[in-house]
Amino acid sequence: NAGVTQTPKFQVLKTGQSMTLQCAQDMNHEYMSWYRQDPGMGLRLIHYSVGAGITDQGEVPNGYNVSRSTTEDFPLRLLSAAPSQTSVYFCASSNANQPQHFGDGTRLSIL
Amino acid sequence: AQSVTQLDSQVPVFEEAPVELRCNYSSSVSVYLFWYVQYPNQGLQLLLKYLSGSTLVKGINGFEAEFNKSQTSFHLRKPSVHISDTAEYFCAVRGSGGSYIPTFGRGTSLIVHP
Repeated sequence: NAGVTQTPKFQVLKTGQSMTLQCAQDMNHEYMSWYRQDPGMGLRLIHYSVGAGITDQGEVPNGYNVSRSTTEDFPLRLLSAAPSQTSVYFCASSNANQPQHFGDGTRLSIL
Repeated sequence: AQSVTQLDSQVPVFEEAPVELRCNYSSSVSVYLFWYVQYPNQGLQLLLKYLSGSTLVKGINGFEAEFNKSQTSFHLRKPSVHISDTAEYFCAVRGSGGSYIPTFGRGTSLIVHP
């Protein structure tokens, strides 16, 4: 019963480096989304997808790319990491009229 | 578009006391409402949800919430809290149609003292 799996759990990057945060779900959910969580800011939506091949921007998309080639996977790419992207990142999935299921998060520090 | 306001950033309370965490929302369409809990270093877990029907919704761990359409509120309550309820609580809202991605409030930190 894996649910939503995020890897890695922790990562430290240098400014300017690129990396991909992985997210996979095994519940055949249509909708997937990425959030970042910062102290006092709640969860802010970065990008989301309503199905394979379809993605859209959320509230804070700058500096991030996504793709959805399969129903199961929704990777988040940081193109050129900046200290402002230090955060905890959460992936979530759901189907219509259902609440979201969340992964355990990736804690990312950018030096 | 929808928005959510959690009126208290932090709520301290003694063990076995009642607690209410406040949530107000704004929306031009019918809404679905959710409360999530986040324990330290973990992801978010669903506490309860309102989709339709009875305005009083019961969730896990003894929590309940009441949907008040006229006051656009969805406050979370528990009659007697435990130390283990110490966590961050998030209220979320989404439209009942269209986008299935909810908007989250900034969270309320519930701190239960012995």
